[in-house]
Amino acid sequence: GDSVTQMEGPVTLSEEAFLTINCTYTATGYPSLFWYVQYPGEGLQLLLKATKADDKGSNKGFEATYRKETTSFHLEKGSVQVSDSAVYFCARFYNNNNDMRFGAGTRLTVKP
Amino acid sequence: DAGVIQSPRHEVTEMGQEVTLRCKPISGHNSLFWYRQTMMRGLELLIYFNNNVPIDDSGMPEDRFSAKMPNASFSTLKIQPSEPRDSAVYFCASSLGEVQYFGPGTRLTVL
Repeated sequence: GDSVTQMEGPVTLSEEAFLTINCTYTATGYPSLFWYVQYPGEGLQLLLKATKADDKGSNKGFEATYRKETTSFHLEKGSVQVSDSAVYFCARFYNNNNDMRFGAGTRLTVKP
Repeated sequence: DAGVIQSPRHEVTEMGQEVTLRCKPISGHNSLFWYRQTMMRGLELLIYFNNNVPIDDSGMPEDRFSAKMPNASFSTLKIQPSEPRDSAVYFCASSLGEVQYFGPGTRLTVL
């Protein structure tokens, strides 16, 4: 069946380091793709999204490009901050049946 | 605007007791989702509703769990009887379209 696979965490980086969190998906159609972020003690919130192939989602310095040929949606940020410490979830969504599936989440810790 | 509201925020109960978690979705949203999050299993979708109708409850662990949505502005998740392995953070989310908006969660501890 469909699934979303994220790189396993935890990921620990120093401030201003480059971040990549890998995400791949399997799908029978053409889902929308998302990255959600969960800060400590809070619910998930949308970080960015892309709805079709080659779209790039971006927000708060984070970017991810919908790659249909590699079925990937990797999250990147050029220079992380301590405040980016959180758990990041990749997700895919089918609009026709309101079906959202999340990956396992990747915990990021950024040290000063 | 108020976001998704969940109550209680924390619940501590003893094994065998009934637990009811409550959710008020964002006004105007037509879909509602219940999730459970644990360290071991991550984020699990339990059930979701479209227009107050349960669509997929395949994630509900067992018959001890039940969910209702009597109207567009209220949903409950009930566990009866509760067990220690039900300890988790339970999230409610709502949507109108593809973006889901999560509540702050209810942290449940079953002793």
